[in-house]
Amino acid sequence: QQQVKQSPQSLIVQKGGISIINCAYENTAFDYFPWYQQFPGKGPALLIAIRPDVSEKKEGRFTISFNKSAKQFSLHIMDSQPGDSATYFCAASTNAGKSTFGDGTTLTVKP
Amino acid sequence: DTGVSQDPRHKITKRGQNVTFRCDPISEHNRLYWYRQTLGQGPEFLTYFQNEAQLEKSRLLSDRFSAERPKGSFSTLEIQRTEQGDSAMYLCASSPRANGYAQYFGPGTRLTVT
Repeated sequence: QQQVKQSPQSLIVQKGGISIINCAYENTAFDYFPWYQQFPGKGPALLIAIRPDVSEKKEGRFTISFNKSAKQFSLHIMDSQPGDSATYFCAASTNAGKSTFGDGTTLTVKP
Repeated sequence: DTGVSQDPRHKITKRGQNVTFRCDPISEHNRLYWYRQTLGQGPEFLTYFQNEAQLEKSRLLSDRFSAERPKGSFSTLEIQRTEQGDSAMYLCASSPRANGYAQYFGPGTRLTVT
């Protein structure tokens, strides 16, 4: 039973464009919704995260939009750069920190 | 602060052998998590510790898997009688007392069972 569904599976964006990745969750017991960035051969790195009582959070070029009623959240990467090319995972975490991850989105930013 | 470290980075073993992985979390972090990641998938939760206490273990985790964190510092994950289906990246993460949600991952141990 997959509790976090992520789309698209892959995404190609031109340099300077906006990358948008979407996630939906099923369990309402989650307390925290982080996004991770993973490069080949590396572990995931926390990028940005949001709590369900906030509808939007922005850090630099990265923004999370959160819709609690729809159980959906998304990551927007503004002014995408080739260095942003990586796999991005959304996750939903309980208050104990146990995280359920989506299956990832491979982002390619073309120069 | 050197981050979360894992050892070994790669392990190749024959089916039926036992393997043990080590994770050293960030020193002041009291929570430690183990995840498994297969190609094209997100990390899958295996178990987690708060200090030395193992508080939750995934129902998907076979009895062949066991984890310890004896002094609340480093942790080990052992897989007994390995199977080809155990081939995956095993990731360790830790989080600080103040914010259990922010998890910091190590580079992982890639296990290949032949």
